[in-house]
Amino acid sequence: EAQVTQNPRYLITVTGKKLTVTCSQNMNHEYMSWYRQDPGLGLRQIYYSMNVEVTDKGDVPEGYKVSRKEKRNFPLILESPSPNQTSLYFCASSLNWQGIETQYFGPGTRLLVL
Amino acid sequence: AQKITQTQPGMFVQEKEAVTLDCTYDTSDPSYGLFWYKQPSSGEMIFLIYQGSYDQQNATEGRYSLNFQKARKSANLVISASQLGDSAMYFCAMREGWAAGNKLTFGGGTRVLVKP
Repeated sequence: EAQVTQNPRYLITVTGKKLTVTCSQNMNHEYMSWYRQDPGLGLRQIYYSMNVEVTDKGDVPEGYKVSRKEKRNFPLILESPSPNQTSLYFCASSLNWQGIETQYFGPGTRLLVL
Repeated sequence: AQKITQTQPGMFVQEKEAVTLDCTYDTSDPSYGLFWYKQPSSGEMIFLIYQGSYDQQNATEGRYSLNFQKARKSANLVISASQLGDSAMYFCAMREGWAAGNKLTFGGGTRVLVKP
């Protein structure tokens, strides 16, 4: 089954404790992206990757890191989480970054930073 | 200025009736795409329908249709014959033609509750 998976689905952590949210897709998509969703703000892009070893900042990259060592994986790293990073996070992928390719979203990761 | 505006934070609709969800957008790029996503209470984002700026016809996908009025910069979603399972948040999103990274810019969403 074609899908985007994220782990963990739910995470409670404390300020400053490094964490990683994994994202994996099995569709051989070139493009992957991370979004965060906050009430009333819709989804905002954090980082994106057009292909392996190619990543760039989205609208709200502060406090986050990403890497794209393999085509299928695009982990999101919070080196020193803070309470304002409490949010619902989505990973998405699409065949490429051009044209009308729609993005397919993972199931989301709910993060609470205390 | 907001690039995507959804003015209806929430609405009720009677089962089996049609509902229109408003979306207006702002771009100076002649090439763009408009998307609608559904987010049920379980949280996942489900792609519903796409409209390209150069498409001559309004997009349709089953019970979903997009009322695209380019001059007004609106892309309203119409759900016909509403079902209880249509209760969810609905997001309008736009991708601009040459914007780096295929970024989707989302509106704030409209919550729909279908009444039996």
